[in-house]
Amino acid sequence: KAGVTQTPRYLIKTRGQQVTLSCSPISGHRSVSWYQQTPGQGLQFLFEYFSETQRNKGNFPGRFSGRQFSNSRSEMNVSTLELGDSALYLCASSPGTGLGTEAFFGQGTRLTVV
Amino acid sequence: GENVEQHPSTLSVQEGDSAVIKCTYSDSASNYFPWYKQELGKRPQLIIDIRSNVGEKKDQRIAVTLNKTAKHFSLHITETQPEDSAVYFCAASRSSGGYQKVTFGTGTKLQVIP
Repeated sequence: KAGVTQTPRYLIKTRGQQVTLSCSPISGHRSVSWYQQTPGQGLQFLFEYFSETQRNKGNFPGRFSGRQFSNSRSEMNVSTLELGDSALYLCASSPGTGLGTEAFFGQGTRLTVV
Repeated sequence: GENVEQHPSTLSVQEGDSAVIKCTYSDSASNYFPWYKQELGKRPQLIIDIRSNVGEKKDQRIAVTLNKTAKHFSLHITETQPEDSAVYFCAASRSSGGYQKVTFGTGTKLQVIP
């Protein structure tokens, strides 16, 4: 079974630009969550999607948005990039139902804003 | 919503000593508590988990304890080794609206000093 795939792995953008990151979950998984990981702030929750619906959203500005498609693949978009958006963006997929279901992480997208 | 607090954010121990990482959660309906380990440059991966009907679970040198009354759970690593150096994340999971919602702590960076 293929794991969680995030693309691209690395990205360099200029301030003010926008970026779209992609996450393909494990086949059959319906839940995808996104996290921002920085050395100083740890793991910060961005949003969670289940069956194409956003179920939860973290405390990030409206520049951060996401969506989930019918095949459970998810994208997140960051507009008007700021230097502080430089981070590792991780997505995690899980079945979304059933107790004790493990979340599987992708390898992340390393975004650098210059 | 659920809030998971994790302490400490950084932890240094001498090789062979024990390490303890603590998490508290706010939602008494949470019933599944996984722990993830993220080695440098790698994705977080599940290392141990515990369900709410169990007070303690062990797997070789790692163990997790759960106190439902106090709403806290802890990861214990005994006889630490350099390869235990990593970032550790706790999480709390509960059923919500037909799907399993997972909330992560912000992480603990563990350094084992040889």
